[in-house]
Amino acid sequence: AQKVTQAQTEISVVEKEDVTLDCVYETRDTTYYLFWYKQPPSGELVFLIRRNSFDEQNEISGRYSWNFQKSTSSFNFTITASQVVDSAVYFCALSGGADGLTFGKGTHLIIQP
Amino acid sequence: NAGVTQTPKFQVLKTGQSMTLQCAQDMNHEYMSWYRQDPGMGLRLIHYSVGAGITDQGEVPNGYNVSRSTTEDFPLRLLSAAPSQTSVYFCASSYAHPTDSGANVLTFGAGSRLTVL
Repeated sequence: AQKVTQAQTEISVVEKEDVTLDCVYETRDTTYYLFWYKQPPSGELVFLIRRNSFDEQNEISGRYSWNFQKSTSSFNFTITASQVVDSAVYFCALSGGADGLTFGKGTHLIIQP
Repeated sequence: NAGVTQTPKFQVLKTGQSMTLQCAQDMNHEYMSWYRQDPGMGLRLIHYSVGAGITDQGEVPNGYNVSRSTTEDFPLRLLSAAPSQTSVYFCASSYAHPTDSGANVLTFGAGSRLTVL
């Protein structure tokens, strides 16, 4: 069975601080995909990134960066110079096939002005 | 381009009542699915469909029925609502990767908040 653990239930930082959201996963599949989704206070789910299990290169998109380490089964997400608009619930998810995504329980990120 | 449209956005039911949550997408996506989101539980898959006429169960299918008569629509039916089905429901769709379904990137609807009294 697949499992995604987001141990940080809630994180609160002051604006402009850097913050890292942790994600640890378990799977027996050799090929799989990891995702991050953002859920702002308005409630919709917004896709941020997809990572293939064979691609361990880190990715940077503006203030967002992702660190994928297969050796520790982790796919962590860092926001640099956080902004109030980054306040949201962030979900890490794992996919191994057609039967959908396995989501973590989410990390509620609060950015204080 | 509407994307994934869910109706209604809010619904209150009494125990034992039935209802259907509607989901429609205009992106010609083959794959559609329903998730429920509960506090502290993340999202859990209820049912999914890889194409018209094909449906399958996810992690938490009990108490829910689905059908897929067209590519565009994937309604979720609650036959006899229970308080445990109080939740926020999300419909999602994606193109079906021809050889690697795990690569699908889901597009989610705005959600439907259901309360069962």
